[in-house]
Amino acid sequence: ETGVTQSPTHLIKTRGQQVTLRCSSQSGHNTVSWYQQALGQGPQFIFQYYREEENGRGNFPPRFSGLQFPNYSSELNVNALELDDSALYLCACGGGPPREQYFGPGTRLTVT
Amino acid sequence: KQEVTQIPAALSVPEGENLVLNCSFTDSAIYNLQWFRQDPGKGLTSLLLIQSSQREQTSGRLNASLDKSSGRSTLYIAASQPGDSATYLCALSAPGGSNYKLTFGKGTLLTVNP
Repeated sequence: ETGVTQSPTHLIKTRGQQVTLRCSSQSGHNTVSWYQQALGQGPQFIFQYYREEENGRGNFPPRFSGLQFPNYSSELNVNALELDDSALYLCACGGGPPREQYFGPGTRLTVT
Repeated sequence: KQEVTQIPAALSVPEGENLVLNCSFTDSAIYNLQWFRQDPGKGLTSLLLIQSSQREQTSGRLNASLDKSSGRSTLYIAASQPGDSATYLCALSAPGGSNYKLTFGKGTLLTVNP
């Protein structure tokens, strides 16, 4: 067990809708990152939050946004959903050297 | 831009065989390298982490090596078991501050046959 939880496990949305995914860490890691993993691909970095501020972003449009809360939990928000947003969304938590990262079980998002 | 390649994309072996998974990367300026295991539709489980100053790490039947000069890492699995069947991913982080971004390969799908 990594101590990182995500909710919900599965989600089905319609194109154009908005979705919020959640992540929490039992250990209070101060950094959280979000990844998108399409079928058969490696995870792609969306962005990371450090001490409640966005601290790095991958090649994803602004309709992907996030929050990190004082208790180190985090949200990923996606607006105006597109069919290509269907994927497994993973959060990873970490803190301090050697920057080992611990992943949650993921949220499977299906956009129809 | 860091690019990570994993070869082979898929591997099928009989139970008990020793095997090696390969990971290559284009930029040797890394902070650390992690090997992960992923079961179908599940999250990632960290197997081994090698810091840039290290050459290898071992955990049980697993041994990971790192050669920054050649841009390569290998994951060696001894005496493979059917329970080892999964996708294995390598990922690298770059140096600098609080940069936790991981760049992943596409993974190697391992099947161990009883």
